[in-house]
Amino acid sequence: DAGVIQSPRHEVTEMGQEVTLRCKPISGHDYLFWYRQTMMRGLELLIYFNNNVPIDDSGMPEDRFSAKMPNASFSTLKIQPSEPRDSAVYFCASSLLVLGGSRSGANVLTFGAGSRLTVL
Amino acid sequence: GQNIDQPTEMTATEGAIVQINCTYQTSGFNGLFWYQQHAGEAPTFLSYNVLDGLEEKGRFSSFLSRSKGYSYLLLKELQMKDSASYLCAVRPSGYSTLTFGKGTMLLVSP
Repeated sequence: DAGVIQSPRHEVTEMGQEVTLRCKPISGHDYLFWYRQTMMRGLELLIYFNNNVPIDDSGMPEDRFSAKMPNASFSTLKIQPSEPRDSAVYFCASSLLVLGGSRSGANVLTFGAGSRLTVL
Repeated sequence: GQNIDQPTEMTATEGAIVQINCTYQTSGFNGLFWYQQHAGEAPTFLSYNVLDGLEEKGRFSSFLSRSKGYSYLLLKELQMKDSASYLCAVRPSGYSTLTFGKGTMLLVSP
């Protein structure tokens, strides 16, 4: 499996522009997460989906942020308009809930390589 | 609320043993995870504890005490490639999301 695939890997944009980050989860995984990482705040959960349905978006900072998962193999995180304080690394992660066995309920998250966003 | 504390930085020597501590205060508990993150890369899964005790996996071991809200990651026979950030994460409830600490940057020197 190719793992979780994110694009773009790097994006530099100007304040006010729209940014769209993309994620392809591991095939068969039923959970998808969007995290943001900064030096000051560490890894923060923005939103997560279960079977393509948004479950918890309480971490989305403002209305400028939106996320969609139109099908099991694709998700987007959109920032419109972008601001300098949005500069961070955005990680997508996916997982599969397995019940039974030694790892029952572990639901280990596998992260993509991240999208480094710089807003000037 | 959720609060996860771990030291910001640690240093150790190649071949030594290092213990990275993590304390947590969360509204619920359904598992504690350790992830490793090399600079510029994604976090990768190291270990999972849901019951008290020690889980061993090669050179890495992780311990959990739920009554104390405490975990540690033990790295033995340190190698230069172990220089990375180590993230403690707690699953407050259910089977889904993780809340991460800010990570401990470990520097292994020759």
